[in-house]
Amino acid sequence: NAGVTQTPKFQVLKTGQSMTLQCAQDMNHNSMYWYRQDPGMGLRLIYYSASEGTTDKGEVPNGYNVSRLNKREFSLRLESAAPSQTSVYFCASSAFSAFTDTQYFGPGTRLTVL
Amino acid sequence: AQSVTQPDIHITVSEGASLELRCNYSYGATPYLFWYVQSPGQGLQLLLKYFSGDTLVQGIKGFEAEFKRSQSSFNLRKPSVHWSDAAEYFCAVGAPRAVSTGTASKLTFGTGTRLQVTL
Repeated sequence: NAGVTQTPKFQVLKTGQSMTLQCAQDMNHNSMYWYRQDPGMGLRLIYYSASEGTTDKGEVPNGYNVSRLNKREFSLRLESAAPSQTSVYFCASSAFSAFTDTQYFGPGTRLTVL
Repeated sequence: AQSVTQPDIHITVSEGASLELRCNYSYGATPYLFWYVQSPGQGLQLLLKYFSGDTLVQGIKGFEAEFKRSQSSFNLRKPSVHWSDAAEYFCAVGAPRAVSTGTASKLTFGTGTRLQVTL
């Protein structure tokens, strides 16, 4: 099992460019999440998908869109990148959306917006 | 709303010394608490979690944590630190799912404590 995989690992964008971060899990999990990690701020939830076909906003959704393509894949799109979106992005998954479920994290994507 | 405070941004310990990382939470109901570890350039890995029952929880890599309701704390401990324990540690509190709205549960993370181990 690869667990949770993310592509790309690194990306540099110019302000206004768009890109999609890809995430896939092979654990047959129902729920998936996108977080951003910024120095001194811990991890903040951007969007999540409790189950295939559903998505909901998290704490910091502005400037992002998501797609739950199927049960395995959950992508995060930046339509017009801004320097404030420079961050490390983590995808995670859990078996269900219960608060007791362990979330499994991918290795992250380091994004720089110039 | 729930919140988590990790008062120590950076801690340095010698290899073989004991370790305690502090975590304080704020939550209106029974908390569900987690400790995650992040090695450099890696994602987060679950060390241990507390839901109910015994307040002393054992985790992987020789870590343990004790839930103290009276102090709203969930401190992480290890009796003897190894150089490979150098990493960033995150405490998190889980919020229950709002069944009526169908929303998923959420984890609220602390800002992390970076552990440095000297040889």
